[in-house]
Amino acid sequence: GDSVTQKQGQVTLSEDDFLFINCTYSTTTYPTLFWYVQYPGQGPQLLLKVTTANNKGISRGFEATYDKGTTSFHLQKASVQESDSAVYFCALVPSYQGGRALIFGTGTTVSVSP
Amino acid sequence: EAAVTQSPRNKVAVTGGKVTLSCNQTNNHNNMYWYRQDTGHGLRLIHYSYGAGSTEKGDIPDGYKASRPSQENFSLILELATPSQTSVYFCASGEGQGAGNTLYFGEGSRLIVV
Repeated sequence: GDSVTQKQGQVTLSEDDFLFINCTYSTTTYPTLFWYVQYPGQGPQLLLKVTTANNKGISRGFEATYDKGTTSFHLQKASVQESDSAVYFCALVPSYQGGRALIFGTGTTVSVSP
Repeated sequence: EAAVTQSPRNKVAVTGGKVTLSCNQTNNHNNMYWYRQDTGHGLRLIHYSYGAGSTEKGDIPDGYKASRPSQENFSLILELATPSQTSVYFCASGEGQGAGNTLYFGEGSRLIVV
């Protein structure tokens, strides 16, 4: 079945470091892939989405692309700030459930120290 | 003016008891969802709804029921709560399908079953 795999459970950085988070996916359809961010004490919120392979999604200094050949997609930011400390989830729309729900990865906790 | 509000925000229940988690949205979205969040599992879909009167099973529906009496309200019901249902539950609303379906989450309901 459709799935997303997010192997990085925890990433620890200092301010101005480069952030890179990777997910792999499996689906039978042409995917739209999403990144959601969850700040402490809040629900997840959409960060950005990528609808076409090799195209970039850009939001709030974050960039995301996906590669159909390797079925992977990643999120990056050139210079993180302490305020970027959060849990980041990759997600995709599965080929079932009428395209109305999302499958989420297990999340990557990013901790940025000043 | 949160658009998706959940109640209660915190709940302690006894094993075998009945628990109802409520969700209200003011986005006028057709789709509503219940996810649970657990360390190591990310967000997993329990039930969802296309509109008033409809409920659909998600990926982990066992032990849960759902009710959508109106466009605005979506409830998750645990008829016989078990300790394995201790978790943080998130309600979300969304419109459309596929790439156009951004999910808007509430702030979560923390449930402890003792």
